[in-house]
Amino acid sequence: AQSVTQPDIHITVSEGASLELRCNYSYGATPYLFWYVQSPGQGLQLLLKYFSGDTLVQGIKGFEAEFKRSQSSFNLRKPSVHWSDAAEYFCAVGQARTGANNLFFGTGTRLTVIP
Amino acid sequence: EAQVTQNPRYLITVTGKKLTVTCSQNMNHEYMSWYRQDPGLGLRQIYYSMNVEVTDKGDVPEGYKVSRKEKRNFPLILESPSPNQTSLYFCASSLRQGASEQYFGPGTRLTVT
Repeated sequence: AQSVTQPDIHITVSEGASLELRCNYSYGATPYLFWYVQSPGQGLQLLLKYFSGDTLVQGIKGFEAEFKRSQSSFNLRKPSVHWSDAAEYFCAVGQARTGANNLFFGTGTRLTVIP
Repeated sequence: EAQVTQNPRYLITVTGKKLTVTCSQNMNHEYMSWYRQDPGLGLRQIYYSMNVEVTDKGDVPEGYKVSRKEKRNFPLILESPSPNQTSLYFCASSLRQGASEQYFGPGTRLTVT
């Protein structure tokens, strides 16, 4: 069965510091991987996605993520965090199998940015 | 503007009083889905629909109903709400299943007393 693990419930970083949010997945075939961001009181916005090809994907707001099949990971990174990046981040894995659940989400990582 | 809309955004109700949360998308998407979000549990899928008149259960369907009579609308029905259905609900749509980005509505915060 598919599953997604985000081992860090809460991360605090200083503004301007680099960021890495971890995501590990369990899936039998090649997964479709997503990172979403949820700002307080808002819905989910797609940051980036991986379907195939280049394992380093670029997203919006300066975020990138790297798919590592050997480690079953899809970690999200940003070289310099801005105060506006404070939000909750969700990793998700999708599948193409007809009739099945579309997306499995991790439990989220809450990011706090301090001045 | 391409979007998914949900109404109401906030709802407080009492146990047993039937309610409907509406969801509408203007992107002509085939696939629509309902999730609930609870602290520490992330998002869990309630029901999904692959097209008009085609719906199926997700991970946590108990206590919920859905219908898909039109492509753009996918209402979530709680016929007899209970306090354990207090949650934040999201509707989402995508062009198709699998390798397709899901677009989320703004959420509906439901409290059942």
